Amino acid sequence: DGGITQSPKYLFRKEGQNVTLSCEQNLNHDAMYWYRQDPGQGLRLIYYSQIVNDFQKGDIAEGYSVSREKKESFPLTVTSAQKNPTAFYLCASSIEGGPLETQYFGPGTRLLVL
Amino acid sequence: SQQGEEDPQALSIQEGENATMNCSYKTSINNLQWYRQNSGRGLVHLILIRSNEREKHSGRLRVTLDTSKKSSSLLITASRAADTASYFCATGPTRGYNKLIFGAGTRLAVHP
Repeated sequence: DGGITQSPKYLFRKEGQNVTLSCEQNLNHDAMYWYRQDPGQGLRLIYYSQIVNDFQKGDIAEGYSVSREKKESFPLTVTSAQKNPTAFYLCASSIEGGPLETQYFGPGTRLLVL
Repeated sequence: SQQGEEDPQALSIQEGENATMNCSYKTSINNLQWYRQNSGRGLVHLILIRSNEREKHSGRLRVTLDTSKKSSSLLITASRAADTASYFCATGPTRGYNKLIFGAGTRLAVHP
C-alpha cells in the first residue's frame, strides 16, 4: 500500500526534553511538509522540504527542527525551546511541491506534555 | 496567518439534507482546495478548483469559486452520517512552492 505513515500515534514529553516525530512516505514524492493543528483551528506550517538535504522554515518554525536525509523520511524534532508543544502534528507530501498540487496527509501524532 | 475563514464554524443537519460550507480568503490565489478530516485523523483531499474555474463537481460534492468576492462554497448533497467530519478550505499561492494556507474549518454533524 502506498501512503504516509507517522509514528507514534501518541507521544508524551517531559519538561526540557526533546522528542522526535517520525514521518515516512512511499509515494515517491519529492516534497514533504509538517503542520501543527491546535484544537478548533486550521493547520499551520512548521517546515517544508522540496528535495533531499534541503528544507525551509514555515510560519511557526521556532522550537522545531527537521532533517531530510532520505527522500522517504522527514522527521520533526520538538525541542525544549518549544514552550507550548501540546498539539496534533500532521505530516504531508506532494509530488514536487508545485503550486497546483494536492497534499497527502499522514494519520498524525498527538503530542502531550507531562 | 490564516488566509481562509470557513463559515459556519459548525453545522448540524439530518441525513438526506444538503450541507453548504463557505470559505472566504484575503489575497490572490492560484487554486483553492477542500479537505476533509475525521476526528483525530489526517486530512483527505476532496477537490481542487483553479482560479480560472467557477464550478467543479465530484460525486455528491459541488464547489464554486468567486474570485471577485474572494469566496468559495462546498455543497454536499444528500448527506450521510458518514459525512460527519471537519471540512477545511486551503488556498494555494499564485507562485512559488505549494504553501497551502488553511482556514479553521467547519465541523459538520450529520444525524441519522
